[in-house]
Amino acid sequence: SQQGEEDPQALSIQEGENATMNCSYKTSINNLQWYRQNSGRGLVHLILIRSNEREKHSGRLRVTLDTSKKSSSLLITASRAADTASYFCATVSNAGNNRKLIWGLGTSLAVNP
Amino acid sequence: SAVISQKPSRDICQRGTSLTIQCQVDSQVTMMFWYRQQPGQSLTLIATANQGSEATYESGFVIDKFPISRPNLTFSTLTVSNMSPEDSSIYLCSVGDSFMNTEAFFGQGTRLTVV
Repeated sequence: SQQGEEDPQALSIQEGENATMNCSYKTSINNLQWYRQNSGRGLVHLILIRSNEREKHSGRLRVTLDTSKKSSSLLITASRAADTASYFCATVSNAGNNRKLIWGLGTSLAVNP
Repeated sequence: SAVISQKPSRDICQRGTSLTIQCQVDSQVTMMFWYRQQPGQSLTLIATANQGSEATYESGFVIDKFPISRPNLTFSTLTVSNMSPEDSSIYLCSVGDSFMNTEAFFGQGTRLTVV
């Protein structure tokens, strides 16, 4: 079952602007991951943030995690047309030995040149 | 890291037939997963492919419809059986470590159209 929810579902911005996507989840997690998908192709991992971390950076990407609110955000700074893609968050729960990724609904980002 | 080769990349199939999708990984991996993704939608986990034992299916997916093989730690197949137009979707193979404590890697997907 899908437990993550992203908002907005779709986002359109101009090149150079920042893009912020949010993800909420429902249960206690071990980590939260962000992925990008171009045009129905395979997903590419962007950042993994663990439950004891609050913020993580990778190049133009900044991810925050608020476990008290069960939410995370992905910020892409100085966006480029090549950032146009769908972005998904995925959580890994703390429970059980059979761990799997629980996926959010995704945000479709369009960066206009 | 892991590099995944997924074949075929796309196919158009007649209803009532079956299609087998292959997933080859360049290194031994513990966990292999098969997903379905409808256009514009998120990923839905079909099953976890277990090496040497039967796959673990998610609710709503059954072995008769989606038989899975995993003969070793680098290879798995998913068969979509007795296809109908409702099976038209993207199918994705993914691998990860035992507890999903690190990133997952994905194949490029198989875009299936059933006519």
